[in-house]
Amino acid sequence: NAGVTQTPKFRVLKTGQSMTLLCAQDMNHEYMYWYRQDPGMGLRLIHYSVGEGTTAKGEVPDGYNVSRLKKQNFLLGLESAAPSQTSVYFCASSSLSRSRQHFGDGTRLSIL
Amino acid sequence: AQKVTQAQTEISVVEKEDVTLDCVYETRDTTYYLFWYKQPPSGELVFLIRRNSFDEQNEISGRYSWNFQKSTSSFNFTITASQVVDSAVYFCANDGGSQGNLIFGKGTKLSVKP
Repeated sequence: NAGVTQTPKFRVLKTGQSMTLLCAQDMNHEYMYWYRQDPGMGLRLIHYSVGEGTTAKGEVPDGYNVSRLKKQNFLLGLESAAPSQTSVYFCASSSLSRSRQHFGDGTRLSIL
Repeated sequence: AQKVTQAQTEISVVEKEDVTLDCVYETRDTTYYLFWYKQPPSGELVFLIRRNSFDEQNEISGRYSWNFQKSTSSFNFTITASQVVDSAVYFCANDGGSQGNLIFGKGTKLSVKP
């Protein structure tokens, strides 16, 4: 039972490059979330989805885009990476709004 | 505004000591949920507890216990007889509302020394 899987686990980018982070869950959850974790800041919501084909902005959405074409996958894209996007990114999913969220192991992203 | 405050940035204790991690929340919802997650040095987030705002009973799970007090908007976490393996960053969170996303505190780093 994999739960929530994030790909890749580590990545180093140069400023201006683009990339996509993949989150896959095998629990048939409706809700999926992308958070970023910065030192001393806790986790902050970037974007979220309440079902296949739907996405919405969270607290810190600028510079990111997302897509949820399939229920099990939630993609986070950086079109033009900036050093301020250096962070650890966590994906999470839940079956219902306000229920326990299951987290992936995180993606450590460095932008030089 | 929805907010979670963990005033203790870092705590250091010696093994076998009891330690309490404080969490104070702000919410305008009448029904809400509170959570605690653990983040060990390996980096993953480990779910510890989810508590409904209507359930004010304290909860105990092994060496872990939680004290929920609605009157003071607090949801404190106590580890009894701490162990080195308890060393981690602990996050308190509440659900932000209809979106279902979590509002996290900034975390408390607990170091348990042998």
